[in-house]
Amino acid sequence: ELKVEQNPLFLSMQEGKNYTIYCNYSTTSDRLYWYRQDPGKSLESLFVLLSNGAVKQEGRLMASLDTKARLSTLHITAAVHDLSATYFCAASLDTPLVFGKGTRLSVIA
Amino acid sequence: EAQVTQNPRYLITVTGKKLTVTCSQNMNHEYMSWYRQDPGLGLRQIYYSMNVEVTDKGDVPEGYKVSRKEKRNFPLILESPSPNQTSLYFCASSFDTDTQYFGPGTRLTVL
Repeated sequence: ELKVEQNPLFLSMQEGKNYTIYCNYSTTSDRLYWYRQDPGKSLESLFVLLSNGAVKQEGRLMASLDTKARLSTLHITAAVHDLSATYFCAASLDTPLVFGKGTRLSVIA
Repeated sequence: EAQVTQNPRYLITVTGKKLTVTCSQNMNHEYMSWYRQDPGLGLRQIYYSMNVEVTDKGDVPEGYKVSRKEKRNFPLILESPSPNQTSLYFCASSFDTDTQYFGPGTRLTVL
């Protein structure tokens, strides 16, 4: 059974700092997703990672995938307040999609 | 505008009264799915569909039904809702394993 674990679950970071969110999954997965959710809103897709060593970047966010370690990371560079949100990773082998519990990120001045 | 729409957005109902939450997408996506989001439990997949007339169970299918008669629509049916189905529901669609687009959510309360 595929299980997905994120950590930390809560993260308070200062503006301008760097930090990494970790996403571990328990069995082989053929794809890994990262999503963002603002309070009271729907989910927005950030990245889809399909192969070992995949790295994708969008603005201050960079996601990577290590299928051998069963680990994906979401790295935040020079955080700004607008990045405050809950971030989810999700993994799948065939289907269905299994989500982590989410990391609630607060960026403070 | 490319979008996934859900209706209703908010619903309060009583135990045992059948209801349907509609989901429609205008992007010609093959893949559609339903999730529920609960505090402390994250998102859990209820059902998914790879194409018309092809549906399969997700992690928490009990108490739910779906149908996929047309490519654009994927309704979620609760034949006999119970209070433990009170939740926030999201529909999503995508081309196969590509980026998923989520609907705005339906907040359901079952009394």
